[in-house]
Amino acid sequence: AQTVTQSQPEMSVQEAETVTLSCTYDTSESDYYLFWYKQPPSRQMILVIRQEAYKQQNATENRFSVNFQKAAKSFSLKISDSQLGDAAMYFCAYRWAGGGADGLTFGKGTHLIIQP
Amino acid sequence: EPEVTQTPSHQVTQMGQEVILRCVPISNHLYFYWYRQILGQKVEFLVSFYNNEISEKSEIFDDQFSVERPDGSNFTLKIRSTKLEDSAMYFCASRAGTDFSSYEQYFGPGTRLTVT
Repeated sequence: AQTVTQSQPEMSVQEAETVTLSCTYDTSESDYYLFWYKQPPSRQMILVIRQEAYKQQNATENRFSVNFQKAAKSFSLKISDSQLGDAAMYFCAYRWAGGGADGLTFGKGTHLIIQP
Repeated sequence: EPEVTQTPSHQVTQMGQEVILRCVPISNHLYFYWYRQILGQKVEFLVSFYNNEISEKSEIFDDQFSVERPDGSNFTLKIRSTKLEDSAMYFCASRAGTDFSSYEQYFGPGTRLTVT
């Protein structure tokens, strides 16, 4: 079974600084997707960024980028120029790319605090 | 922007009672999901639903659980006889597309279920 581990329950960063959230996963599959979801307080989860395992290039979305290390099974999220609106729970998630089984496997989440 | 909605936001029920949690997925989406998050733990996949049938379910989704799409808009999760350990936040999600290239799942705000 796949597992996703986020080893940082909480991270704190000064506004405008850069922060990196860690995620490791375990799978025997070679083709899969990885995601970072953001959940602001009392709001629904929204997708921040996604990575296909077959792509070597790291995904980027504006201030958000990932460091995907397939051999190490590591998928970290870097947030540059942190803003107060980035404060939220961040969840790393995995999904096998095969047909039918598309339920996401989540990590426990990292609570990101932005210090003004 | 279209959103997944869930009702109620908070449901309190007594052990042994039946509960129905309701979700309205995004209107043109074809894949529907339920997840739960017990306080302090990971978000866990329960079930996925496509073309009016379950496409995948986890070990958690036992005979006490059922899902239904009773009309063209609602997607429900029924727990037949609630237990104390069913207390959790339940999230509904939906996804567009007929192939796995459209892989983003859109989440609702959740229903907090408290079993007393």
